[in-house]
Amino acid sequence: AQTVTQSQPEMSVQEAETVTLSCTYDTSENNYYLFWYKQPPSRQMILVIRQEAYKQQNATENRFSVNFQKAAKSFSLKISDSQLGDTAMYFCAFGETSGSRLTFGEGTQLTVNP
Amino acid sequence: NAGVTQTPKFRVLKTGQSMTLLCAQDMNHEYMYWYRQDPGMGLRLIHYSVGEGTTAKGEVPDGYNVSRLKKQNFLLGLESAAPSQTSVYFCASRLIRVTGELFFGEGSRLTVL
Repeated sequence: AQTVTQSQPEMSVQEAETVTLSCTYDTSENNYYLFWYKQPPSRQMILVIRQEAYKQQNATENRFSVNFQKAAKSFSLKISDSQLGDTAMYFCAFGETSGSRLTFGEGTQLTVNP
Repeated sequence: NAGVTQTPKFRVLKTGQSMTLLCAQDMNHEYMYWYRQDPGMGLRLIHYSVGEGTTAKGEVPDGYNVSRLKKQNFLLGLESAAPSQTSVYFCASRLIRVTGELFFGEGSRLTVL
């Protein structure tokens, strides 16, 4: 079974600074997707960024980028120029390309301080 | 286009009572899921469905039942609620497994006294 681990339950960062959230996963599969989801206080789950395992290039979405290290099974999220609206719980998730399910990590609560 | 809608949003039950959570999606998605979210445990999969008339167990299926009689609806039932089922429940759907992205409902907070 796949597992996803987020070792940082809580993190904080000053507004305009950069922060990196960590995620590691365990799988024997070669083809899969990795995701970061954001859950603000409104509770709505929002997709932040997605990475296909077969792509070597790291995904980027505006201020959000990932560092995907396939051999190390690591998938960290970097948030640049942090904004107050980035305050949220962030979940890392893994899904096999051939599968039907996503496995989520425990989450990291990020607080952006003014 | 409403996306994924869950009802009810909030519910308080007494131990032993039963209830059903309804999830409806208008995106013609094949795959639908029920997760529960508890502090420090992330989202855990309860049951899921890969198409109309199908259901399968996830990580934590005990105490729950599901049905997918229509493609757009996925029902989660608690036959005899227990305090351990106090949680926030999320429904999600996606078109096909290859694309991967899940679309979530807004969550339903259930308290069992």
